[in-house]
Amino acid sequence: NAGVTQTPKFQVLKTGQSMTLQCAQDMNHNSMYWYRQDPGMGLRLIYYSASEGTTDKGEVPNGYNVSRLNKREFSLRLESAAPSQTSVYFCASGTVDSNQPQHFGDGTRLSIL
Amino acid sequence: AQSVTQPDIHITVSEGASLELRCNYSYGATPYLFWYVQSPGQGLQLLLKYFSGDTLVQGIKGFEAEFKRSQSSFNLRKPSVHWSDAAEYFCAVGALWAGGTSYGKLTFGQGTILTVHP
Repeated sequence: NAGVTQTPKFQVLKTGQSMTLQCAQDMNHNSMYWYRQDPGMGLRLIYYSASEGTTDKGEVPNGYNVSRLNKREFSLRLESAAPSQTSVYFCASGTVDSNQPQHFGDGTRLSIL
Repeated sequence: AQSVTQPDIHITVSEGASLELRCNYSYGATPYLFWYVQSPGQGLQLLLKYFSGDTLVQGIKGFEAEFKRSQSSFNLRKPSVHWSDAAEYFCAVGALWAGGTSYGKLTFGQGTILTVHP
């Protein structure tokens, strides 16, 4: 079972470049999420999509945009990358039920020079 | 707003010793609580969850956690640690927001890095 698949796994960008991180899930989940992980700060929610066709801001949305392409796919775009966006990005999927766990991809390690 | 605190950034134990990782949350209603583990270079794997019923929950890999409402805590325990348990552990809370749904959103603690000495 693939679960949640993120591409690419690693990427190095220069300041000002743009990039889209891809995420796909095969668990028929309605909700999808993008987090960033920084040392000592846990995971912080960037954007989420409660269902196909809807997106909403999380805790740290500035500098990012998202697209819920269909039920399976949820992409995260950096329009003009900044060094402060160097991080590990995780995509997750789940249901809208708060008592159900989210399922995570393996992450994208992004460095911005 | 809800919050989660993991007071210990880094814990070191010897293999075979017992383990307790602390987690405190802040939320007015009954929270839904999770523990995840992250091995180096990997995503997060669910260890266990609590949302109702018995306050002592069992998870995978021999872990358990106890929900204590009076202390707003959900500490993770394991009686005997194995070298393969070395990883980073995250506590997370999911809850209904007043007047709506949280859409399954989670709030994570800062994480605790576990080192296991042979």
